[in-house]
Amino acid sequence: GAGVSQSPRYKVAKRGQDVALRCDPISGHVSLFWYQQALGQGPEFLTYFQNEAQLDKSGLPSDRFFAERPEGSVSTLKIQRTQQEDSAVYLCASSLHRSYEQYFGPGTRLTVT
Amino acid sequence: ELKVEQNPLFLSMQEGKNYTIYCNYSTTSDRLYWYRQDPGKSLESLFVLLSNGAVKQEGRLMASLDTKARLSTLHITAAVHDLSATYFCAVDKISNFGNEKLTFGTGTRLTIIP
Repeated sequence: GAGVSQSPRYKVAKRGQDVALRCDPISGHVSLFWYQQALGQGPEFLTYFQNEAQLDKSGLPSDRFFAERPEGSVSTLKIQRTQQEDSAVYLCASSLHRSYEQYFGPGTRLTVT
Repeated sequence: ELKVEQNPLFLSMQEGKNYTIYCNYSTTSDRLYWYRQDPGKSLESLFVLLSNGAVKQEGRLMASLDTKARLSTLHITAAVHDLSATYFCAVDKISNFGNEKLTFGTGTRLTIIP
């Protein structure tokens, strides 16, 4: 079956531009997570959704980062006024429900110039 | 705050040799995962360890968990070239908001030399 998909796979943005990154979780998965992976580092948690509810946004680094999942399926991570330090791979993961294993998408590599 | 440390960060070894990657974490956790990541690719789940003394094996890889020592190991037996990748451990803990939250180590970049 289809896994987690993300688009675009690569994004180059000029500093100050807004970007939107999309995640399509596995069908029927209730839980959805976003992670940020800087070069040479492990992924770091950004935010968590249970269906359409954003229950944990404790990892979002600033108020320029915003995530939504309006219908409890597809999610979008938006970064406003991008900065160079936002350059990273953004990973999305989904799980069937709480406490079930997370399945990761291929990631979106964001480069801010 | 939960901290997860892996060592070594880089490991270069010859085919046929054995080695172990270590993962230490700072507070009690609910589960521990091992992932593999190839360059430019996403994370592939290798093992989920749920309880003290858990041991899981798949091919040339074996993972174990000691919750009292807050230590997990990933042992590689008779390494082959296609095991070259970056390996991450991740500790799963329920957050203050009730969701599970993975905290990853910095990764071990493994290179197997023919």
